[in-house]
Amino acid sequence: NAGVTQTPKFQVLKTGQSMTLQCAQDMNHNSMYWYRQDPGMGLRLIYYSASEGTTDKGEVPNGYNVSRLNKREFSLRLESAAPSQTSVYFCARGGPLGELFFGEGSRLTVL
Amino acid sequence: GESVGLHLPTLSVQEGDNSIINCAYSNSASDYFIWYKQESGKGPQFIIDIRSNMDKRQGQRVTVLLNKTVKHLSLQIAATQPGDSAVYFCAVSGTYKYIFGTGTRLKVLA
Repeated sequence: NAGVTQTPKFQVLKTGQSMTLQCAQDMNHNSMYWYRQDPGMGLRLIYYSASEGTTDKGEVPNGYNVSRLNKREFSLRLESAAPSQTSVYFCARGGPLGELFFGEGSRLTVL
Repeated sequence: GESVGLHLPTLSVQEGDNSIINCAYSNSASDYFIWYKQESGKGPQFIIDIRSNMDKRQGQRVTVLLNKTVKHLSLQIAATQPGDSAVYFCAVSGTYKYIFGTGTRLKVLA
């Protein structure tokens, strides 16, 4: 158990709709991350938060916003969904050695 | 730019045999490496890690080997079992925290 809970697990949106993916950790670690996973590609970092109150862009931040609500929660928002954002999204928390522990994923389809 | 590649998209092994999954990276400054296992429909699961000051690390039935000279690491799974069937990928420290490989699908044949 990685101690990371993501909701929802599945979501279908129409182009232009907005939604928020929720992530919560129960391990009280400082750093949290949002990744997307697409076929034939490795996981790519969207945004991360090194500690409560801070967020930074990753490799593919365009079209997304994040909020580090408190130490436990880190949400990812799509303001105007596009078909290119169809993907599986993973939230992760950091570990004591710098390793990452992932949630079970949120599968998003944008029509 | 930075890149991480795996040598084989699919690896099939007989149950009970040893499996070796490879990963190559480009950034010589990378100093931390992790192997993950991902089962279908699930999130990546941490298996084992290694830092650049080591060239070998062992866990339970798994061994990671790091060759910094040629920028290559491998994951060895001893006595492969059906429950080992999954996609395995490496993560290499880089600019955006980690660079992830695309994965090797391990199929265990009965």
